[in-house]
Amino acid sequence: GQNIDQPTEMTATEGAIVQINCTYQTSGFNGLFWYQQHAGEAPTFLSYNVLDGLEEKGRFSSFLSRSKGYSYLLLKELQMKDSASYLCAVRASNSGYALNFGKGTSLLVTP
Amino acid sequence: GAVVSQHPSRVICKSGTSVKIECRSLDFQATTMFWYRQFPKQSLMLMATSNEGSKATYEQGVEKDKFLINHASLTLSTLTVTSAHPEDSSFYICSASKYDGTGLHEQFFGPGTRLTVL
Repeated sequence: GQNIDQPTEMTATEGAIVQINCTYQTSGFNGLFWYQQHAGEAPTFLSYNVLDGLEEKGRFSSFLSRSKGYSYLLLKELQMKDSASYLCAVRASNSGYALNFGKGTSLLVTP
Repeated sequence: GAVVSQHPSRVICKSGTSVKIECRSLDFQATTMFWYRQFPKQSLMLMATSNEGSKATYEQGVEKDKFLINHASLTLSTLTVTSAHPEDSSFYICSASKYDGTGLHEQFFGPGTRLTVL
């Protein structure tokens, strides 16, 4: 099975930087994904890590350490529209490319 | 791009009726589609993996006779909730897997279907 843990809620200020952590336990690790989900909407893809290191994509970066079972999503220059739930998802090699999602971190960006 | 549509977006039905939800990949062919369920303030829970032309693979605890999945073509999968009850009220989201040539197999999500069973 897979256990994915991430904080339930976070609050940050507009213009600031926030880091959302995710730890996981899985057999046959085959990639970690971050998604953004606004209330009542489907998740949208943010990033994908399968090798150790940092992937940067504009204001968003994601880091992975496979040996530690750890990832983080870094959001820079926060905007009000970044208020959403951020989902960490792990894919296992024996899962047929299905994703196992964490419970999500609800981020509130304040003025 | 890669667009996935779902229909209907919202449905309200009486207890005991069946509801069919369609998931379509509009601009790509998806050999694999996934069905998730999300309860309020919870994360997405995988219900089943649907492969074109074969039987769906259900996750533990998901009744295959209650949640019927049909994947008749590379662009269409349907989920039928049979004899729906109030506890089946949830947000149902499908996704379609697209291979980008690098091993990513990114999943693109549909907009979801809000099911309310009275």
